[in-house]
Amino acid sequence: NAGVTQTPKFRILKIGQSMTLQCAQDMNHNYMYWYRQDPGMGLKLIYYSVGAGITDKGEVPNGYNVSRSTTEDFPLRLELAAPSQTSVYFCASSHGLAGETQYFGPGTRLLVL
Amino acid sequence: GENVEQHPSTLSVQEGDSAVIKCTYSDSASNYFPWYKQELGKRPQLIIDIRSNVGEKKDQRIAVTLNKTAKHFSLHITETQPEDSAVYFCAASGRGYSTLTFGKGTMLLVSP
Repeated sequence: NAGVTQTPKFRILKIGQSMTLQCAQDMNHNYMYWYRQDPGMGLKLIYYSVGAGITDKGEVPNGYNVSRSTTEDFPLRLELAAPSQTSVYFCASSHGLAGETQYFGPGTRLLVL
Repeated sequence: GENVEQHPSTLSVQEGDSAVIKCTYSDSASNYFPWYKQELGKRPQLIIDIRSNVGEKKDQRIAVTLNKTAKHFSLHITETQPEDSAVYFCAASGRGYSTLTFGKGTMLLVSP
């Protein structure tokens, strides 16, 4: 199993550009999550999904959108990139509720200039 | 929503010493408390977790304790080794138990 995979590893965006961060898992997990990690600030939840077709906002959803058309994939969309979105983005998945281990992807480092 | 405070933000110890990291949470309904380790440039990985019906859990050199009344839990690492150097995050499950709220992390540096 590849586990949780993310692409790209690193990306530089100009202000106002759009992009999609890809996330996929091959563990047949129902729950998937997107976090952003800023230096010294821990992991902040952006969006999460409890199954295909179901998504919900986390703590910091503004400026982002998600979709979950399949169990395996959970892309994160940035519509109008802003410098404040410079961060490392982690996707994670778990089999069930928060009381189960979350498995993280390798992360995507995004720089908005 | 849930709020998790973590202390200290940095911790330096000598190899062989013990290290303790403490977290407090705000939501008395939280029932799951994992700890993640993140090495530099790597992804967070679960190292140990505890549920609210248990007061203490051990796994070799690491242990976690939970005080539900005081709403705090701690990570204990004994006989620290240089490879323990990393950022450690505590977390607590929120209402509905679908998500985790993370602390801001503790950078542990173990000097040889």
